[in-house]
Amino acid sequence: KNQVEQSPQSLIILEGKNCTLQCNYTVSPFSNLRWYKQDTGRGPVSLTIMTFSENTKSNGRYTATLDADTKQSSLHITASQLSDSASYICVVSDRGSTLGRLYFGRGTQLTVWP
Amino acid sequence: EADIYQTPRYLVIGTGKKITLECSQTMGHDKMYWYQQDPGMELHLIHYSYGVNSTEKGDLSSESTVSRIRTEHFPLTLESARPSHTSQYLCASSERSRAGAHNEQFFGPGTRLTVL
Repeated sequence: KNQVEQSPQSLIILEGKNCTLQCNYTVSPFSNLRWYKQDTGRGPVSLTIMTFSENTKSNGRYTATLDADTKQSSLHITASQLSDSASYICVVSDRGSTLGRLYFGRGTQLTVWP
Repeated sequence: EADIYQTPRYLVIGTGKKITLECSQTMGHDKMYWYQQDPGMELHLIHYSYGVNSTEKGDLSSESTVSRIRTEHFPLTLESARPSHTSQYLCASSERSRAGAHNEQFFGPGTRLTVL
């Protein structure tokens, strides 16, 4: 069964600190993995995308890693800001359908305190 | 920010009412999707469309229906709303799949539906 598991479920950090979010998946055949940021009451917005051959991808203070062998990914946030408070969702796409089906994790709810 | 819009953003209605959630995109995307999301839970695909006059049911069974008469418009309708329909509904769109394409889905802001 194709699944995406994220940890931790929630996380509270102080402004300026770093944090790392984890994602494990069993989706096969694998196409790509995205990290989305979802602000409260908004739709998800893509932060990074990684394909099978990529190990790391950065987008400003966000750095994603991918280990396709162990089927694990992480999202590292550097020097957190109050605006980073959101849900971070790991989304894996398979390449076995023309739909481009997405498998969503439940997200990690990040709260950044001043 | 993606050019995909949803209205209304918030809706509170009584049981038994008929409602339509609107979704439109100006990117010319062929594929469109409706997801349902409850607090702290993952998004569940309830409907999708490959293009005009194409509609399919998703992974999660839903009593809602959709239509795709125009490329840019993908409304979702509930004929008789019930409290169990209370949820957030997210619309998304993506380009037609190409070899090597990454199928990024662009999401609208969502509609928060509450049925009393």
